[in-house]
Amino acid sequence: IAGITQAPTSQILAAGRRMTLRCTQDMRHNAMYWYRQDLGLGLRLIHYSNTAGTTGKGEVPDGYSVSRANTDDFPLTLASAVPSQTSVYFCASSSGTVSSPLHFGNGTRLTVT
Amino acid sequence: AQTVTQSQPEMSVQEAETVTLSCTYDTSESDYYLFWYKQPPSRQMILVIRQEAYKQQNATENRFSVNFQKAAKSFSLKISDSQLGDAAMYFCAYRLRSGTYKYIFGTGTRLKVLA
Repeated sequence: IAGITQAPTSQILAAGRRMTLRCTQDMRHNAMYWYRQDLGLGLRLIHYSNTAGTTGKGEVPDGYSVSRANTDDFPLTLASAVPSQTSVYFCASSSGTVSSPLHFGNGTRLTVT
Repeated sequence: AQTVTQSQPEMSVQEAETVTLSCTYDTSESDYYLFWYKQPPSRQMILVIRQEAYKQQNATENRFSVNFQKAAKSFSLKISDSQLGDAAMYFCAYRLRSGTYKYIFGTGTRLKVLA
């Protein structure tokens, strides 16, 4: 079944540790995104990529980095995790056409202690 | 900067009744897309309905319809004949037609359906 795969599903991480959240899509979508979801704040864009080889900053990029070496993969790295990065992280993609909606992965629940 | 506002953190509706969730947005652009997403307890994000700003006709998908008021920058979601399975968080989202591919989301409305 075509879609977006995120890993891990959940993770408890000690503050100061490095963590990479994985995201892979098999829909050949050009654009990919990382959002974080926090209660009362909705979904906030962390980073995005319009096409392989390019990335851009969203609303809350600090403390996060991304890369887009190919069309399918868009990993999100926390270089040194802090408790405020405790959140649910969603990877999403879109075909890039103007009317295309976002397709979401099932999310990663990250707890930084 | 574009912003999306959902002023109702929580709503309740009786099963089989109709409920309307509100969404307003702020933009200086004239051409854009609007979306409603549903997030049930499973955490999955599901597209409910989308609206193109240059189309005056309100979008409908079965029991879901929107009331799009472009001048007022309002995009409310109406759910008719509410069912228990409609209980979820609902997010309104905005995307410019051209330029950046960013989608901006509101803070969400939690809908409870009462049996």
